Amino acid sequence: QSALTQPASVSGSPGQSITISCTGTSSDVGTFNIVSWYQQHPGKAPKLLIYEVTKWPSGISNRFSGSKSGNTASLTISGLQSEDEADYYCCSYAGSNTFVFGGGTKLTVL
Amino acid sequence: QLQLQESGPGLVKPSETLSLTCTVSGDSISPTKFYWGWIRQPPGKGLEWIGSIYYSGITYYNPSLKSRVTISVDTSKNQFSLRLTSVIAADTAVYYCARPHSPSRVYGDFFYWGQGILVTVSS
Repeated sequence: QSALTQPASVSGSPGQSITISCTGTSSDVGTFNIVSWYQQHPGKAPKLLIYEVTKWPSGISNRFSGSKSGNTASLTISGLQSEDEADYYCCSYAGSNTFVFGGGTKLTVL
Repeated sequence: QLQLQESGPGLVKPSETLSLTCTVSGDSISPTKFYWGWIRQPPGKGLEWIGSIYYSGITYYNPSLKSRVTISVDTSKNQFSLRLTSVIAADTAVYYCARPHSPSRVYGDFFYWGQGILVTVSS
């Protein structure tokens, strides 16, 4: 298993939309529609934003949305807010009851 | 409201065994059909799944750690535990316990998390 590939950093201005990519392989992202996304603020535990590529757990804003094409999953944040500044991680099922995380992306709100 | 709390030593010597316990409150591990998990995060780095356990004791581990990891469950105490043997400095991390959103599946969609515990491997 290799970690999924995410950009190290992305940035955007308040009100804008940004997209974070998560690239895997045909052994994980490309085969399974089981991708999760997490938000993590400094010193805090991760927070589940999206599961099964596009679904929201309770209490999560629909400003966060997920999608997938081929071996790449994406998280889009619309109407960017200052509190969205955080680290974001993707996670994909990799078969045989295992899963793998991405390396993380630091979002800066300008 | 479900709460998870990690506990254990914050400092472990190289080559020794790291042992942590996660105490669950607000819900019962058994017989809820979830795979309870351990995830770690080295300082300044990303997340790494360690393994998951079902209330019945079925376990799944990260292949890269499998030879050194044991996860167990004690339903009578509503706890599950992690043992990592032969630790090295690279095992220094914040260790989290967590419960998934989706029952009965090992999908990596952890919804409930403990606050995390920093374990440092150093002599």
